[in-house]
Amino acid sequence: AIRMTQSPSSLSASTGDRVTITCRASQGVNNYLAWYQQKPGKAPKLLIYAASTLQGGVPSRFSGSGSGTDFTLTISRLQPEDFATYYCQQHYLYPRTFGQGTKVEIK
Amino acid sequence: QVQLVQSGDEVKKPGASVKVSCKTSGYTFSSYGISWVRQAPGQGLEWMGWISAYNGNTVYAERLQGRVTMTRDTSTSTAYMEVRSLRSDDTAVYYCARHSGINRTPFDYWGQGTLVTVSS
Repeated sequence: AIRMTQSPSSLSASTGDRVTITCRASQGVNNYLAWYQQKPGKAPKLLIYAASTLQGGVPSRFSGSGSGTDFTLTISRLQPEDFATYYCQQHYLYPRTFGQGTKVEIK
Repeated sequence: QVQLVQSGDEVKKPGASVKVSCKTSGYTFSSYGISWVRQAPGQGLEWMGWISAYNGNTVYAERLQGRVTMTRDTSTSTAYMEVRSLRSDDTAVYYCARHSGINRTPFDYWGQGTLVTVSS
C-alpha cells in the first residue's frame, strides 16, 4: 500500500496568513493526489484533485502543487472558515490511502 | 443535486454485525462506485473498500478482508456496507463516498456519516 505522510500534524495561524501543508507519498502517484477539508462533526469536503485542479465552488485562495511523490496545499490568505483539518489522499491505486491529517488552528 | 444519505446511528455489542446503507440520488448510480471510509474518535480517515455500482465488483482493505462485505441494490440506488464480528476498535463514524473506480477520480460527494458504537 502507498503510505501518505503529511506535515506538519498541526499548525497555528492567524486570519490572513499564508499556510502551506505538505504531503509525501511512499511511491509515485502519477499526480493522482487529492486534498480534503474536514470540520468537526462533518464529512470531508473535496478541495483539490489531480494535484492542482480546484474542485468546483472551492475558493481560489486554495491551491495545490507538486508531482511525483511530493505535494503541497497552500491557502493564500487564511479565512476564519478555513480553520479545519486537512487530509491528502492518493486516488491512483487501491487501497486509496489518506495522510494522517493536518489540523489548522487559530493562533 | 447529488446526494448520499446514510442510515442512522447504531449501538452494537462486541461480536455482533452492523449494516449501514447509503442511498444515492441526483446522478446515474451505475456510472460510479462507492467507497466506504471510517473515522475512529479523534483519529484520521481509513479507507475500507469500494464497490462498483455497475457490476458489484469489490476491493477491500486488507486489514478488513473477511469481516466486511459491500453490496449494492441498483433498483434503489443504494449501497450497503456490513461489518461482522464487531470489536471495540470498530467504533467509528462510517462514511460512504462517490467516485469512479476505473477513472481514478477523487471522492467528490460524501454521505453525512453514521456513528457505530461497539460497547458491551
